[in-house]
Amino acid sequence: AQSVSQHNHHVILSEAASLELGCNYSYGGTVNLFWYVQYPGQHLQLLLKYFSGDPLVKGIKGFEAEFIKSKFSFNLRKPSVQWSDTAEYFCAVFTGGGNKLTFGTGTQLKVEL
Amino acid sequence: EAQVTQNPRYLITVTGKKLTVTCSQNMNHEYMSWYRQDPGLGLRQIYYSMNVEVTDKGDVPEGYKVSRKEKRNFPLILESPSPNQTSLYFCASSTTGYNEQFFGPGTRLTVL
Repeated sequence: AQSVSQHNHHVILSEAASLELGCNYSYGGTVNLFWYVQYPGQHLQLLLKYFSGDPLVKGIKGFEAEFIKSKFSFNLRKPSVQWSDTAEYFCAVFTGGGNKLTFGTGTQLKVEL
Repeated sequence: EAQVTQNPRYLITVTGKKLTVTCSQNMNHEYMSWYRQDPGLGLRQIYYSMNVEVTDKGDVPEGYKVSRKEKRNFPLILESPSPNQTSLYFCASSTTGYNEQFFGPGTRLTVL
């Protein structure tokens, strides 16, 4: 069965620091990859997605992610975080064979002023 | 406004009392899904539906039922709720399973 690992469960950064959140998945076939964000008290929203093509994808609010097929990774990055980026971030993988979306356990990001 | 709605948003119930959480989308999406969110476990898929009358189990289907009689609605049924089903539940929809999913606002369920 496919699985998604997010290694950082809690991350605390100061404003303007750079962010990188790790995501690894276990599936050898074609995948569609997503990062979702959940701001406090809100539902999940899509940050960015990768289906094919350029492995470096840009999303909303200055976030980007790089798909590295050989490493089964899809890490999320942002050069300079803001206090408003405080949220929980979820990596998710869709594999066509299973027709279902598998989420990682999430990373709680707290950005301090 | 394109949206996924869920009702109720908050529910406190007792063990064994059947309940239904409704989910409705107005985007004409084929794919709908239910997830539960628990601290430290992320979101886990309960059931999904590729289209009307087509449903399948996700990763944690035990204790839940679903039906998809109309494209827009995908209710989640707990026939005999137990305390371990206390959780935050999200409904989601998308054009197809592999596209962006649009999430509802969540239903916080407490089973005493």
